[in-house]
Amino acid sequence: KNEVEQSPQNLTAQEGEFITINCSYSVGISALHWLQQHPGGGIVSLFMLSSGKKKHGRLIATINIQEKHSSLHITASHPRDSAVYICAVEKGTYKYIFGTGTRLKVLA
Amino acid sequence: EPEVTQTPSHQVTQMGQEVILRCVPISNHLYFYWYRQILGQKVEFLVSFYNNEISEKSEIFDDQFSVERPDGSNFTLKIRSTKLEDSAMYFCASSHTSGGAGEQFFGPGTRLTVL
Repeated sequence: KNEVEQSPQNLTAQEGEFITINCSYSVGISALHWLQQHPGGGIVSLFMLSSGKKKHGRLIATINIQEKHSSLHITASHPRDSAVYICAVEKGTYKYIFGTGTRLKVLA
Repeated sequence: EPEVTQTPSHQVTQMGQEVILRCVPISNHLYFYWYRQILGQKVEFLVSFYNNEISEKSEIFDDQFSVERPDGSNFTLKIRSTKLEDSAMYFCASSHTSGGAGEQFFGPGTRLTVL
């Protein structure tokens, strides 16, 4: 069983829709990260969370430590948001454990 | 803005050959990492490096793999005798701190193709 599970695996949305991507983990963590992987392969960090909620532009990330669950929300989605969104956890120190990713496609 | 760089962007090699993948981490970062992503699969941790030694490694990182920081700027991953299953995208990352405050910055990746 994966230590980090994401849902859904694939998501297609119409431009303007509100999008939620979920991440559940089964291990103790020191932090959780949301990453964006572009079609060319590059990985960009979006958020690092250890508690509560963070907002950056149209992106909002929340984490519930007790429930071992995090969500990434995109408001007013746009075709340029199309990418793979990856949840990764820091277990102890020194490394990330990655989820399988959610492939998002936003249609114009 | 400082960034992690990797060379080459694409490396094609014959099975059994040695390859060295190179990374230049962000200059004031202290922790360095290699990850790999086989096509269509999730990103997997290979190794972390701090204070000139390996901090942690995964089961994937066997005796065929080694890492080195040969000078103050480069961080390399060597695969001694490549196998077909080593074909993947290899990402280098660096962070200033670790353990809950260590946002990692990723390089653009090196696509390794083993024929």
